[in-house]
Amino acid sequence: QKEVEQNSGPLSVPEGAIASLNCTYSDRGSQSFFWYRQYSGKSPELIMFIYSNGDKEDGRFTAQLNKASQYVSLLIRDSQPSDSATYLCAVNVGNFNKFYFGSGTKLNVKP
Amino acid sequence: NAGVMQNPRHLVRRRGQEARLRCSPMKGHSHVYWYRQLPEEGLKFMVYLQKENIIDESGMPKERFSAEFPKEGPSILRIQQVVRGDSAAYFCASSLRSSSNQPQHFGDGTRLSIL
Repeated sequence: QKEVEQNSGPLSVPEGAIASLNCTYSDRGSQSFFWYRQYSGKSPELIMFIYSNGDKEDGRFTAQLNKASQYVSLLIRDSQPSDSATYLCAVNVGNFNKFYFGSGTKLNVKP
Repeated sequence: NAGVMQNPRHLVRRRGQEARLRCSPMKGHSHVYWYRQLPEEGLKFMVYLQKENIIDESGMPKERFSAEFPKEGPSILRIQQVVRGDSAAYFCASSLRSSSNQPQHFGDGTRLSIL
């Protein structure tokens, strides 16, 4: 079983819709959860991080964490074509700041 | 530019040669992480270093790969006697502290191609 799992997609949504990206993880001891956006051929760019159960909002982005279900999600409201990218979920495991990444979900926002 | 700096951006090597990838962390950061990314895949952790110390190298292949982060200068990821399977994007990230809630900030990566 992979430490972090994501649906590879592609996930297609129309412009202006809500995009919902999901991630599950296997280690119950995981403490911190990060979402990165990666455009093709570019470096991962940090979007949000969340540590506590519940929702965390930042502009058009909302991260949701449910530790009991070992599930973290990212909602993108009012999706724009510029949001089209691969979204990587990263989970911190253990005492050191070592990240496990999912394989990413490719999002296509259609104009 | 205060971001994570990696060079070169692209590196071409023939089988059997050595590849050296460099990474300078963000200003004020002393924790460096190296990841490898194959096409259409996520990032795979390789090694975590602090100045002059390797903290966790559990993701490093046992042979041909080594990393260092000297007191002065950038972190270096070295791959000796490269093979075609080493072709990938290698990303470096840095963080301010090593505690579990610290975001990692990534450089633009080095795309390594083996002929």
